[in-house]
Amino acid sequence: DSGVTQTPKHLITATGQRVTLRCSPRSGDLSVYWYQQSLDQGLQFLIQYYNGEERAKGNILERFSAQQFPDLHSELNLSSLELGDSALYFCASSVGPTGGQFFGPGTRLTVL
Amino acid sequence: GQQVMQIPQYQHVQEGEDFTTYCNSSTTLSNIQWYKQRPGGHPVFLIQLVKSGEVKKQKRLTFQFGEAKKNSSLHITATQTTDVGTYFCAGPHAGGTSYGKLTFGQGTILTVHP
Repeated sequence: DSGVTQTPKHLITATGQRVTLRCSPRSGDLSVYWYQQSLDQGLQFLIQYYNGEERAKGNILERFSAQQFPDLHSELNLSSLELGDSALYFCASSVGPTGGQFFGPGTRLTVL
Repeated sequence: GQQVMQIPQYQHVQEGEDFTTYCNSSTTLSNIQWYKQRPGGHPVFLIQLVKSGEVKKQKRLTFQFGEAKKNSSLHITATQTTDVGTYFCAGPHAGGTSYGKLTFGQGTILTVHP
């Protein structure tokens, strides 16, 4: 158990819908990262927050947005969902803005 | 942009054999990190190497960081069935707008036959 929690574990929805994935980092960790993992794309960095502020951005689609709240938990919002958005979404956290990251169990999103 | 390549993509070994995966970055890295993901699981942080030429050991696992800080390797001695999984290397960007971004290699999937 990494200490990072993610909800929900599984999510099944339809194209065009919007979903919110939630992540609570390890106690004391200020950085939160979001990743997308699919079979053909591997592990893709989406976005990073550090102590409430956006720190780094990857190839995150405009339909996706995220934020980190004052209590340091984070949410990833995915809207206008497409079939290709089906993937595992991982949240990770670390103490500082760099360094080893501790991953949550992931949310498996299925878009039908 | 920064690219991190790993070889081989797949490796099948008999239990007891050694295993090595190699990681190469298109840019110099401030550090290299290694992760293991068991089938159906999430990536688990193994280690971070920072210094040029650094070698670190964790039981049967040996990690090396190249002198030029552009390549790294993970070697497992006498594999066991518990070593099964995908091994990823990852390199961070440093500075600029990509500060904190971690670029993962595509991973090496290790299968260990008993």
